[in-house]
Amino acid sequence: SYVLTQPPSVSVAPGQTARITCGGNNIGSKSVHWYQQKPGQAPVLVVYDDTDRPSGIPERFSGSNSGNMATLTINRVDAGDEADYYCQVWDNSSDHPLFGGGTKLTVL
Amino acid sequence: QVQLVQSGAEVKKPGSSVKVSCKASGGTFSNYIIGWVRQAPGQGLEWMGRIIPILNITHYAQRFQGRVTITADKSTSTAYMALSSLRSEDTAVYYCARIVSPADWLDPWGQGTLVTVSS
Repeated sequence: SYVLTQPPSVSVAPGQTARITCGGNNIGSKSVHWYQQKPGQAPVLVVYDDTDRPSGIPERFSGSNSGNMATLTINRVDAGDEADYYCQVWDNSSDHPLFGGGTKLTVL
Repeated sequence: QVQLVQSGAEVKKPGSSVKVSCKASGGTFSNYIIGWVRQAPGQGLEWMGRIIPILNITHYAQRFQGRVTITADKSTSTAYMALSSLRSEDTAVYYCARIVSPADWLDPWGQGTLVTVSS
């Protein structure tokens, strides 16, 4: 079955750029979506269809997807960006969404 | 703007069942696809299943087959997720979310319902 691999944690200083990766076999051929989840809250969609942002999501959030890796990039990180981030694709073999294991972003 | 509001927290005994509701507002419920995702304490997101209310078609994740039932009431714009034969490992926050085609992302999500299974 298809597997999405995320690093458990990423740390970045305020004002710097955070890059959170999501690895999968030929993931570049799939549409990748990203969610932000703050403690005690429901996930929120921050990037969909590899690169698009829902209304209300800052331009600091962007996505890319090619080959075997998709990346969520957060520019000018601030303390409010501390959260868990999950990538998601549609798994055609099981016909349901598949999530990565999540990455905890820490702002130093 | 679509909003999903879920029912409140539940405490259940092992072996019992639970039914969580998810009421939609701000759109045409029958046109939605509603999915259910759970998250055990400190863990990641786990897919459970979905329903297409306009067709009353359901699809369940294999590991929940036979234990989960997802239904929808178009008259009240409410989806339901029932889980039976509860065990302690089912303690989790259960979320509903709208699945948006064609690339199938989940947006928005309900606020979540904590189900605690304890004797």
